[in-house]
Amino acid sequence: AQRVTQPEKLLSVFKGAPVELKCNYSYSGSPELFWYVQYSRQRLQLLLRHISRESIKGFTADLNKGETSFHLKKPFAQEEDSAMYYCALNFGKSTFGDGTTLTVKP
Amino acid sequence: GAVVSQHPSRVICKSGTSVKIECRSLDFQATTMFWYRQFPKKSLMLMATSNEGSKATYEQGVEKDKFLINHASLTLSTLTVTSAHPEDSSFYICSARIGGSGNTIYFGEGSWLTVV
Repeated sequence: AQRVTQPEKLLSVFKGAPVELKCNYSYSGSPELFWYVQYSRQRLQLLLRHISRESIKGFTADLNKGETSFHLKKPFAQEEDSAMYYCALNFGKSTFGDGTTLTVKP
Repeated sequence: GAVVSQHPSRVICKSGTSVKIECRSLDFQATTMFWYRQFPKKSLMLMATSNEGSKATYEQGVEKDKFLINHASLTLSTLTVTSAHPEDSSFYICSARIGGSGNTIYFGEGSWLTVV
């Protein structure tokens, strides 16, 4: 069955520190993976997707098929990065992980 | 980017009544729209997938007679919660996929439903 796991519910780092939000998936086909972000009182927004291999707001994510992971990374966290982050697997419809709340402290 | 709008953003209704939530794609045609339910500090739970002009496909455990979904046009899908109960109180979110553009999905701002 398709499944997305985000093992950390909460993650707290200091400003300027590196941050990594973990995401593991299970899917028998070729996965399409996304990261979405939800800032306080705002709608979900697409942050990035693996097929475009882009860097948005300093975040990157690499698909590792061997480890079935799609971890989100940023070398230097900023306070405005504080938000809820969801990893999602798309196979026609999307399955979301439970989300990780990132808090970046000053 | 593309905009998806939901209305109303907040609604309170009495137990036993029905309430309709609209999801509109404002500047694109959405061949597929999705309805989710989100509990506080929890993930999004997909309720159903609706394709324009056809019946919605409901996820396991979602009552299709209670959560009526209509996707009458390429820019509008509606979710009607029928005979609402307090346990239906939740945050409902829709998303829409641009037709012919891969799997880019855009989310509405969500609708808070409170059943009293």
